[in-house]
Amino acid sequence: DAKTTQPPSMDCAEGRAANLPCNHSTISGNEYVYWYRQIHSQGPQYIIHGLKNNETNEMASLIITEDRKSSTLILPHATLRDTAVYYCIVSPYGGATNKLIFGTGTLLAVQP
Amino acid sequence: DTGVSQDPRHKITKRGQNVTFRCDPISEHNRLYWYRQTLGQGPEFLTYFQNEAQLEKSRLLSDRFSAERPKGSFSTLEIQRTEQGDSAMYLCASSVNRDEKLFFGSGTQLSVL
Repeated sequence: DAKTTQPPSMDCAEGRAANLPCNHSTISGNEYVYWYRQIHSQGPQYIIHGLKNNETNEMASLIITEDRKSSTLILPHATLRDTAVYYCIVSPYGGATNKLIFGTGTLLAVQP
Repeated sequence: DTGVSQDPRHKITKRGQNVTFRCDPISEHNRLYWYRQTLGQGPEFLTYFQNEAQLEKSRLLSDRFSAERPKGSFSTLEIQRTEQGDSAMYLCASSVNRDEKLFFGSGTQLSVL
């Protein structure tokens, strides 16, 4: 079973920041938080991951609370092409398998 | 980097027939994964290879499913005696050893009539 809880859907206005929350209250000390997204009819795409520090890359920022029980993915300036299902996943980094257990994610709809 | 390639993109078959899908991972990616995804659900892990060795299979994976990765390059997933419940998107992903990023293909959409 997925170890994360996400809202099933969210809306965001084009050009505004999209803030996607994720709860992972049972996260273990060796588990990272990963975010992937899946645009319709495509395979999932890696966005970002982190352990306890905030992370930023060209796609997004990841804010992890100090107790690591929740996190927020931030898309700073959402575009229509960011409409997708966003998955928050916790998993050990570089584990024996490195398989990812997906939940049902959050469907982000960016509105014009 | 040409990405993960899956073939075919779509497959329609009759119940009871056998089907085979192919996945070509990114070159030099040692790890290869198969996932299955049904409508409204996230991808579900099926099996994992490191090079040519199949190291893990989901307990949910029926005996009708078999996967191979000869020579540690491309992989095939075969489903024997297909059932309507096998209708799903079958996704392949690859990664470098102990790297956190999985690169997914666009999947094979299977419809069993």
